[in-house]
Amino acid sequence: GNSVTQMEGPVTLSEEAFLTINCTYTATGYPSLFWYVQYPGEGLQLLLKATKADDKGSNKGFEATYRKETTSFHLEKGSVQVSDSAVYFCALYNFNKFYFGSGTKLNVKP
Amino acid sequence: GAVVSQHPSWVICKSGTSVKIECRSLDFQATTMFWYRQFPKQSLMLMATSNEGSKATYEQGVEKDKFLINHASLTLSTLTVTSAHPEDSSFYICSASKPRDSFQETQYFGPGTRLLVL
Repeated sequence: GNSVTQMEGPVTLSEEAFLTINCTYTATGYPSLFWYVQYPGEGLQLLLKATKADDKGSNKGFEATYRKETTSFHLEKGSVQVSDSAVYFCALYNFNKFYFGSGTKLNVKP
Repeated sequence: GAVVSQHPSWVICKSGTSVKIECRSLDFQATTMFWYRQFPKQSLMLMATSNEGSKATYEQGVEKDKFLINHASLTLSTLTVTSAHPEDSSFYICSASKPRDSFQETQYFGPGTRLLVL
């Protein structure tokens, strides 16, 4: 079947620290992979995506590489800001459906 | 932009009553809307997919008589939790896709509605 596992939070970092949020998946076929971000009181927003193996999605300093050999799509950012504090969801899209991870809350302290 | 709103943002009701949640696409027409449910510290789970003017398609294990979905227009879908019980307490999220977006990969999410059934 299709499923997504991401690291539990919360993750607390100081401003300018390096961020990694792990995400692994199981899927049949050839899914697309996504990271969504949810700021307080708002809906999920697409952060980045990758549609095939070895693709790298990037946006706003965040990056994630579609690794088929390790079935992973880890989210990274070199220097986080307080404004990056939010909940991050890893997701895969396969056969016209989304499958989400449970979300990782990121707290960035000044 | 592509903004999706939900109303109400949170609701408390008594056991046995029905609750209606609205999902609106504010600046685009949505041919397809999706309803998700999220329990604390768990994934968003797709409940059903609704297309304007036709019956919703429910995921396995979701009671269609319990969770009534109506997609009466291209900008509005409603989810009614009928005869709500405490186990229905959850966070309900809708999303919408635009007609021209292929494979419905691009979905725009509402902010969610938190339901508490006493």
